[in-house]
Amino acid sequence: SQQGEEDPQALSIQEGENATMNCSYKTSINNLQWYRQNSGRGLVHLILIRSNEREKHSGRLRVTLDTSKKSSSLLITASRAADTASYFCATSLIQGAQKLVFGQGTRLTINP
Amino acid sequence: GAGVSQSPRYKVAKRGQDVALRCDPISGHVSLFWYQQALGQGPEFLTYFQNEAQLDKSGLPSDRFFAERPEGSVSTLKIQRTQQEDSAVYLCASSLYGVNTEAFFGQGTRLTVV
Repeated sequence: SQQGEEDPQALSIQEGENATMNCSYKTSINNLQWYRQNSGRGLVHLILIRSNEREKHSGRLRVTLDTSKKSSSLLITASRAADTASYFCATSLIQGAQKLVFGQGTRLTINP
Repeated sequence: GAGVSQSPRYKVAKRGQDVALRCDPISGHVSLFWYQQALGQGPEFLTYFQNEAQLDKSGLPSDRFFAERPEGSVSTLKIQRTQQEDSAVYLCASSLYGVNTEAFFGQGTRLTVV
């Protein structure tokens, strides 16, 4: 079972535009993490945001967390062709085992 | 190497065959995880090790799946009597300690059962 749901499932934009992906989850969390996966490759960790944080930045990435709405967003600014990948949110539950629960991902395509 | 290493990268098995998938985590990482990823889906948790102890195997789909990490470093995921529904990418990840520290994933092993 998957707790996170990403929205949209697929997103196609022009290079240079900003891309926003959303993630909703169902139960209380310790932290939420975003990962990127290029086709046929492993997952690359992008950002970890804790439940007591509201926003985090890393380079061109901005992540927000709204625990009252049980949702998070990932913003990629000034997108590049190399950003083309699938993006997953994953949650670590407060009353859960030591595991990350992933959503189904957003497939992002950056058109040159 | 500095990252998580998995082998083989690709494995084709005939239905009924046993397979063994290997994971070399980052040195010093206490936690090791196995995930299964079906095509077009997010990874799903299989099992978790803290050093050599398998603390959670709740995600293993059947008793045909077995994982071990005998010395608290390298881990092996074994699938007995493979079936077509076992076809997936098997991902290994390690972290310093638990899920509240960054998890580093290997490239995965793509298993195809024919």
